[in-house]
Amino acid sequence: DAGITQSPRHKVTETGTPVTLRCHQTENHRYMYWYRQDPGHGLRLIHYSYGVKDTDKGEVSDGYSVSRSKTEDFLLTLESATSSQTSVYFCAISDQKVGVADTQYFGPGTRLTVL
Amino acid sequence: GENVEQHPSTLSVQEGDSAVIKCTYSDSASNYFPWYKQELGKRPQLIIDIRSNVGEKKDQRIAVTLNKTAKHFSLHITETQPEDSAVYFCAASQGGSEKLVFGKGTKLTVNP
Repeated sequence: DAGITQSPRHKVTETGTPVTLRCHQTENHRYMYWYRQDPGHGLRLIHYSYGVKDTDKGEVSDGYSVSRSKTEDFLLTLESATSSQTSVYFCAISDQKVGVADTQYFGPGTRLTVL
Repeated sequence: GENVEQHPSTLSVQEGDSAVIKCTYSDSASNYFPWYKQELGKRPQLIIDIRSNVGEKKDQRIAVTLNKTAKHFSLHITETQPEDSAVYFCAASQGGSEKLVFGKGTKLTVNP
């Protein structure tokens, strides 16, 4: 597995509380992605980053924000968690060139439950 | 935007048989098509990929075919084994960008 870790691996929180998930890589890859995985929906892109402080939205970005202050770290924040954000969150990294899709390597995932 | 349809959603085969999973995409600018395998409770892992300038690619028991005209691509697994049991996801690059759009997955069960 590529050098990708996610923390925490499991989290239970209450509706309305802020939550931050962390993705850390040791591969020095330029691109980092956050996906959510729900039964019947596959993997859906939330946000992605193409460099330090360079981020863009994916198809399900509402209610989420991201930050990337260092190459190795990509943070996903739920400002005010809702039950609809209960999901498994995967981070992915890629060493692709700009404008050229290539292999994405996934982290181990974070299971988030919002009560 | 890109839309990826994957069929079937579940597939059950006997050990030793072949399995075929099909995906269609909508964006003619898509040029990269990976397949991922996800075992229960694990992360998705790339098993094979193909680019739009190639029609077929093989890696041991796994092959992928691409028909750009019809906008569909397929995963073929021959001589299936119980350890092939997993959920398989196809994906297509979005508009020739760095983003991937995933299908909803196929749960493959290989019965001994």
